[in-house]
Amino acid sequence: SQKIEQNSEALNIQEGKTATLTCNYTNYSPAYLQWYRQDPGRGPVFLLLIRENEKEKRKERLKVTFDTTLKQSLFHITASQPADSATYLCALGEQAGTALIFGKGTTLSVSS
Amino acid sequence: GAVVSQHPSRVICKSGTSVKIECRSLDFQATTMFWYRQFPKQSLMLMATSNEGSKATYEQGVEKDKFLINHASLTLSTLTVTSAHPEDSSFYICSAREGGNPGYTFGSGTRLTVV
Repeated sequence: SQKIEQNSEALNIQEGKTATLTCNYTNYSPAYLQWYRQDPGRGPVFLLLIRENEKEKRKERLKVTFDTTLKQSLFHITASQPADSATYLCALGEQAGTALIFGKGTTLSVSS
Repeated sequence: GAVVSQHPSRVICKSGTSVKIECRSLDFQATTMFWYRQFPKQSLMLMATSNEGSKATYEQGVEKDKFLINHASLTLSTLTVTSAHPEDSSFYICSAREGGNPGYTFGSGTRLTVV
């Protein structure tokens, strides 16, 4: 069956450390993978997109990797801050313009 | 940047009544919009794909007669939950993608509570 798994439901880290979130998928062939941030009671906000032929993307303190052999993406937040506390969702896109398929998310808590 | 406005943000309705949720793309045209439902601590589950000027495409298990979708213009899609029941209580979110953007823009969501 098809699955997207974000291995940790919750992740607690100290301010200044690097947070690493994992997204694994089974029986999908995504053309791209995206990461979103969702705050309580709000819709998701787009952070980064990485395509199947890309290994790594960076944006400010964010980095995402994509390994299509392992069927895994890693999402890193460096120098984490309490304001980074939120739920982070990974989402697969099988074709451009079609609906995204979401994982359950990992709730990150950064303590000062 | 692209903005999607969703209203209402919260609604409480009585069992058996209908509720309409609006989703507007404010600064771009959206020929396609997506409607998701999210239960607590669960992922966003796609309900349907809304296409301007044509019928929506519903995901397996989603009753099209219960969740009516209308996409009458390039900037507006509506979801009507008909004859709502308590099990329809959930967080409903719409999204669309502006052509030049890599990511999708989501509305702020509608918390529906059926009592």
